[in-house]
Amino acid sequence: LAKTTQPISMDSYEGQEVNITCSHNNIATNDYITWYQQFPSQGPRFIIQGYKTKVTNEVASLFIPADRKSSTLSLPRVSLSDTAVYYCLVGDDYKLSFGAGTTVTVRA
Amino acid sequence: NAGVTQTPKFQVLKTGQSMTLQCAQDMNHNSMYWYRQDPGMGLRLIYYSASEGTTDKGEVPNGYNVSRLNKREFSLRLESAAPSQTSVYFCASSQVDRGTEAFFGQGTRLTVV
Repeated sequence: LAKTTQPISMDSYEGQEVNITCSHNNIATNDYITWYQQFPSQGPRFIIQGYKTKVTNEVASLFIPADRKSSTLSLPRVSLSDTAVYYCLVGDDYKLSFGAGTTVTVRA
Repeated sequence: NAGVTQTPKFQVLKTGQSMTLQCAQDMNHNSMYWYRQDPGMGLRLIYYSASEGTTDKGEVPNGYNVSRLNKREFSLRLESAAPSQTSVYFCASSQVDRGTEAFFGQGTRLTVV
């Protein structure tokens, strides 16, 4: 199972772009890269998933370089409601545990 | 669509008591999972069921048992609760052949005193 490393915390201000980079040096050929968001007292919620290059949806963008050893989640123009923990997962299923994630705090 | 439903939402147990946490999904997913989350920590996998009739241990299975009752339901049982099992428990389901998006329940907050 590919181990992931991401920053423990990040601070930002409303309206800024937040970029969270996740390292996964041992990613396997079949592995997807998936990001989740978790608010206090709630279960994690799927944000975005990718395999290679760039993926964009209405919430975020995911950038994956050609070697796939890292990935960057980009949250455009964050608001206070984007304050949450963000998890990077690498694998082809959920037979794995989530790491501690990155706590993103958005300030006014 | 209800998604993933967990019961109960809150529970207080005395040390040594037993209980079963219930989970049901209505998305016809093959795979179901139980996680625990301790304060300030990520989610750790307890058990999972890749398909109806199969279950496997995750990272922290000790002290727990599971039953995949049918495709919809996956229960987690604590036979003899211990204070170390105080945690928030999340159930999730996914359909692996459609990618790896998992859907989570709202959690069960369990306190063992």
